[in-house]
Formats: sequence, C-alpha cells, structure tokens
Amino acid sequence: DGGITQSPKYLFRKEGQNVTLSCEQNLNHDAMYWYRQDPGQGLRLIYYSQIVNDFQKGDIAEGYSVSREKKESFPLTVTSAQKNPTAFYLCATSRDGQGTGELFFGEGSRLTVL
Amino acid sequence: GESVGLHLPTLSVQEGDNSIINCAYSNSASDYFIWYKQESGKGPQFIIDIRSNMDKRQGQRVTVLLNKTVKHLSLQIAATQPGDSAVYFCAHQNQAGTALIFGKGTTLSVSS
Repeated sequence: DGGITQSPKYLFRKEGQNVTLSCEQNLNHDAMYWYRQDPGQGLRLIYYSQIVNDFQKGDIAEGYSVSREKKESFPLTVTSAQKNPTAFYLCATSRDGQGTGELFFGEGSRLTVL
Repeated sequence: GESVGLHLPTLSVQEGDNSIINCAYSNSASDYFIWYKQESGKGPQFIIDIRSNMDKRQGQRVTVLLNKTVKHLSLQIAATQPGDSAVYFCAHQNQAGTALIFGKGTTLSVSS
C-alpha cells in the first residue's frame, strides 16, 4: 500500500521522559512535515524537511527534535523540555517543499503524558 | 505573526442544504490555498485547492472562492449530506513559501 505510516497510534509517557514518534512514507515525496493538533485548535507546524539531511523549525519547535537521514523517514522526538506535550501529532508529506502543493497526512499519533 | 482564521467555529445545517464555510487569512503574498476535511481521530483529507491567479474553482459538490482584495477564502458544499459532518480547515502558504499554515477549523454538523 502506498501512503504514510505513523506509529504508535497511541502513546503514554511519564513526565520527564523523551518519546519518539515514527513517520514512514513510500510515496517518494521530497518534503515531510510534523504538525501538532490540540482540541478545538488548528494544526500548528513543528518541524519540516524539504530534502534529506536538512530540516527547518516551524512555529512551535521548542521541546522537539527531528532527523531526516532517509527520504522515507522523519521521526519526531518529544523531549522532556516540551512543557505541554499531550496532543495529537500529524505527519505529512508533499511532492516538493514549496508550500504550493497538497499535503498528504498520516493517521496521527496521540500522545498522553501521565 | 501569520494567521489563518475562520469566522465561525461551528456550523449546523440540514441535509440537502448548501453549506458555506469561511476563512480569513493574513499572508497576502500566499500563492496557494487549500481546504481539508478531518473526521474524528483521523488525519485531514484533501478537498480542493486554488492558486492565487484564480478566484473560483469547482470540484464535485464543492466550490472554493478566493477574494484576494479582502483576504477571504470560502468553501461551498452543495446538497450537504450527513457524511459531510467533520471539521473543515483552510490553509495557505507561510511567509517563506515552504509550508502550509492552518486555521483553527469549523465543525460542520449535518442533521437528517
């Protein structure tokens, strides 16, 4: 199947722990993105990568880190420095990183901090 | 900062009515605008997009209107069905032209 796979779908974390969310794509898209969604809110951009081995901060990058070692993979680490990490996290891809094309979304990962 | 806003957080309509969802945006330099539909617990799905050199684009049962003068975007859904119940987001390019900025969403509820 072609698409974007996010895992895990649900994740629970204790305060002070780092956690890594996985995002894998087989669409051969150049650009990948991480968004955060809180209840009743829109999607806010955390990090994005237009090409392998390169990434840029979005609007709310503090407390998060990413890597882009392979075209297919763009994992997001939620660190203990993120003060309010409970949220729904969405990974997306686009054919290029020009912001002028459709974003394709995964099904999301819901992180709950206990 | 950049923002994309929607005029109403919720919209309730009867099945068969036409729905209009509105969005105001701040980046006048944006060349690209897009609407997404999100069902509960799922990722957003593409509905329709429009580029800044157009003011109207039609799809199947949906129409997007762009008014660059007042920086306003709208989504019209014809003959709204219960399956259209979802949260609808508008989005546009960020200032750098490298990503999409999303509004807060309008929840559309369709009753039979």
